Amino acid sequence: EAGVAQSPRYKIIEKRQSVAFWCNPISGHATLYWYQQILGQGPKLLIQFQNNGVVDDSQLPKDRFSAERLKGVDSTLKIQPAKLEDSAVYLCASSFFQGPTYEQYFGPGTRLTVT
Amino acid sequence: KQEVTQIPAALSVPEGENLVLNCSFTDSAIYNLQWFRQDPGKGLTSLLLIQSSQREQTSGRLNASLDKSSGRSTLYIAASQPGDSATYLCAVQTGANNLFFGTGTRLTVIP
Repeated sequence: EAGVAQSPRYKIIEKRQSVAFWCNPISGHATLYWYQQILGQGPKLLIQFQNNGVVDDSQLPKDRFSAERLKGVDSTLKIQPAKLEDSAVYLCASSFFQGPTYEQYFGPGTRLTVT
Repeated sequence: KQEVTQIPAALSVPEGENLVLNCSFTDSAIYNLQWFRQDPGKGLTSLLLIQSSQREQTSGRLNASLDKSSGRSTLYIAASQPGDSATYLCAVQTGANNLFFGTGTRLTVIP
């Protein structure tokens, strides 16, 4: 079974530029999560989708971050404009369904450096 | 708000030693607790998941315990190997959605 795929793996941009990350979840998984992991910290949930609907985006900085999952499969996370403090690893995860009995599977992450 | 703390932040041990990693959380109303491994430049790999009704889980040389009432969990690694070197994260699930992560323990096993 293929795991969660993410691209690109690394990205370096200057502040005020825009960037987009892509995630392809495990086939058949209805729930998709985006996490932000700043160096030395644990991952923090940014947004959760159930199929193509948003379940939780309370931690998403909506003035600069946006995410979509139009067809309920792949998802993109965008930052516009980027700030220095956005430097982090962005992890995508998926689970068969939402809820504590369904394990989350994580992708390799995209490491973003904002200079 | 749930807060998860992991001690120590870093640990170096000689190969073959048994070791214990600690995790504590402030809100005992959890559904489950999970231990993850993270290698440099890689994503998270789930090691053990303990449901709130369970006391411990074992997988190979790993054993995780959960004391929900005191807000503590430990991950025991027996006979450590250099390949165990990684960052270990614990996370608690308190609702339908959210995993709250600790900051991790960076383990180095010296050959």
